[in-house]
Amino acid sequence: DTAVSQTPKYLVTQMGNDKSIKCEQNLGHDTMYWYKQDSKKFLKIMFSYNNKELIINETVPNRFSPKSPDKAHLNLHINSLELGDSAVYFCASSQDRAPSNEQFFGPGTRLTVL
Amino acid sequence: AQSVTQLGSHVSVSEGALVLLRCNYSSSVPPYLFWYVQYPNQGLQLLLKYTTGATLVKGINGFEAEFKKSETSFHLTKPSAHMSDAAEYFCAAKSGGSNYKLTFGKGTLLTVNP
Repeated sequence: DTAVSQTPKYLVTQMGNDKSIKCEQNLGHDTMYWYKQDSKKFLKIMFSYNNKELIINETVPNRFSPKSPDKAHLNLHINSLELGDSAVYFCASSQDRAPSNEQFFGPGTRLTVL
Repeated sequence: AQSVTQLGSHVSVSEGALVLLRCNYSSSVPPYLFWYVQYPNQGLQLLLKYTTGATLVKGINGFEAEFKKSETSFHLTKPSAHMSDAAEYFCAAKSGGSNYKLTFGKGTLLTVNP
C-alpha cells in the first residue's frame, strides 16, 4: 500500500552512462515532482508535472529529462551521467497544484556515479 | 524569491528536554509553511503545516509550530524529546499564486542524548 514508490532504491553506474529512475503514486494525485538532495542534505526542486503537463522546470542540465506517461507516473531519465549527478533523488506528489497542499515523498533513489 | 533559513544545522538535546528548531522565511507575503522530518535513509514525512487560520499548529508525534508574522518565523517545538525524534528536520515554504515551488531550508539535524 505504498503511496509514492521509486525504483530503483540504489543505482551505481559509470560516468557517461544513461539511466532512468521510475516513480509511481497510487494516491490519485494530479501533481508530481522530482527533487535532488545533495551530499549536504540540501533539497532542490527539479521538475513538476500537473496532469502530465510540465509546470516547473528549474535550471537543470538538458541531460535530465522527465517523462510523465500518465498522472500516476513521473520518470526521470539522465543522459551522459557525470560525477556531480551523484545524489539522492526524491519523487513527490500532491493532490493538485494548490499551494496549501502538502507533498508526499517517495523513499528516494541514491545515485552514485563512479 | 522565497528563501527559508534554519538557524543551527545541528541541535543536540537530552531525552526529556524541550526541542526547539528555528525557521525563518523571507517572503513579504505570508507563505504556506511546512515542517518535514527525514529519518536516516528514508523519504520526507510531513510533521505539520500552516496555511491559514490558527497560528499555533499541532502536528504528529507531539510536535507543534507557531506562525509569527511579525517575526517571519515558524519555529518547531516539542515539550519533551524522545530518542526516536533523532532525525533531520526541514522547514519549507510555498508562496501562493502561480508559484508552486516548495522552497526548503538547509535542514537541522536533531540528536537526542540518553
